[in-house]
Amino acid sequence: DTGVSQDPRHKITKRGQNVTFRCDPISEHNRLYWYRQTLGQGPEFLTYFQNEAQLEKSRLLSDRFSAERPKGSFSTLEIQRTEQGDSAMYLCASSSTGRGLSPLHFGNGTRLTVT
Amino acid sequence: GQQLNQSPQSMFIQEGEDVSMNCTSSSIFNTWLWYKQDPGEGPVLLIALYKAGELTSNGRLTAQFGITRKDSFLNISASIPSDVGIYFCAGQSSGGSNYKLTFGKGTLLTVNP
Repeated sequence: DTGVSQDPRHKITKRGQNVTFRCDPISEHNRLYWYRQTLGQGPEFLTYFQNEAQLEKSRLLSDRFSAERPKGSFSTLEIQRTEQGDSAMYLCASSSTGRGLSPLHFGNGTRLTVT
Repeated sequence: GQQLNQSPQSMFIQEGEDVSMNCTSSSIFNTWLWYKQDPGEGPVLLIALYKAGELTSNGRLTAQFGITRKDSFLNISASIPSDVGIYFCAGQSSGGSNYKLTFGKGTLLTVNP
């Protein structure tokens, strides 16, 4: 399978705990995105990497959130001191560079439930 | 910020009927994309549109990029039960180095066999 891979698929955690999610993009894609999706809404942009550089962060990404892409391949998204409002589907997407705009391809997401 | 208005919010149709949904934006986009999302899965790309006025088909799906670059529609012909799902429009711009997508709120399609 050469699509975007996310792990874990589901995570249940207690409020106040830290969680970390992993995303493996399509291998030749050097752009990587994190989105968050809540019930009944479209995905909302969180942050974007080109290679290992984090180039933009949404205002949705509070200080408790941090994302890394240390070698320009896989990425991790960490949420510290989770809150119930963090419960959502966290989606990763990747796209290629090249001439013009390249469509984003999404993984199947990590569903986070904070109890 | 940019906002996308997607309509209708939901549709309930009979198998074999045609479906149309659309998106309008307060801002111009350089690319329009349509995705389908099944429960518990990520969005899957259906069609990408790159030029104003472009009309593109993918099987029973047809989508158009509006001339003003602020709207797009998606048509599904002869619907079948597996068309059930949530359809999202998304606009993409290339401001600076960011190629992020802005999504609509989705159209929930139910097909009655």
